[in-house]
Amino acid sequence: TQLLEQSPQFLSIQEGENLTVYCNSSSVFSSLQWYRQEPGEGPVLLVTVVTGGEVKKLKRLTFQFGDARKDSSLHITAAQPGDTGLYLCAGQGKVIFGPGTSLSVIP
Amino acid sequence: NAGVTQTPKFQVLKTGQSMTLQCAQDMNHEYMSWYRQDPGMGLRLIHYSVGAGITDQGEVPNGYNVSRSTTEDFPLRLLSAAPSQTSVYFCASSYLSTSGGDNEQFFGPGTRLTVL
Repeated sequence: TQLLEQSPQFLSIQEGENLTVYCNSSSVFSSLQWYRQEPGEGPVLLVTVVTGGEVKKLKRLTFQFGDARKDSSLHITAAQPGDTGLYLCAGQGKVIFGPGTSLSVIP
Repeated sequence: NAGVTQTPKFQVLKTGQSMTLQCAQDMNHEYMSWYRQDPGMGLRLIHYSVGAGITDQGEVPNGYNVSRSTTEDFPLRLLSAAPSQTSVYFCASSYLSTSGGDNEQFFGPGTRLTVL
């Protein structure tokens, strides 16, 4: 059974700080996706990474897929209150989700 | 486009009652799925469908039935509700993957279900 772990589970930071959250597995995935979910809403796709070692940037968010395609990280530069939410990674896109990292950015 | 719509938004049931959670999408997506989200456990796949007339089980299918008579609709039926089914339920849809990577899943706003 493929499993995805995410760390940290909770993160509370001040506006302007940088942070990194992680998504790890013992299994190899053909792709990983990152979603952000705001309270009371469904998840929304941020990015899909496909190639080992791939780095994608989305404004202040930087996503990296590990060389072995078993892990991924999300780095946020100069966090803003609008970044608050639950960040979920998903392997294979449709079937396996990690438990999420709940991020709170305090103004 | 309305995207993915779900009804109802909130529901309270008594143990043993049955109900149907509705899901519809207007994007002509082949793939539709149902997830449940519980604290600390992420989203777990209940059932999915790759097209009208085709459904299959996900990770946690027990106690739930689905059908896919049209491309647009994918209802989830709880046969005899149990307190363990208290959760937030999300429906999602996407195009089927063709090559390298997975297509974006579009999620509905969720149904918050409480079983007493």
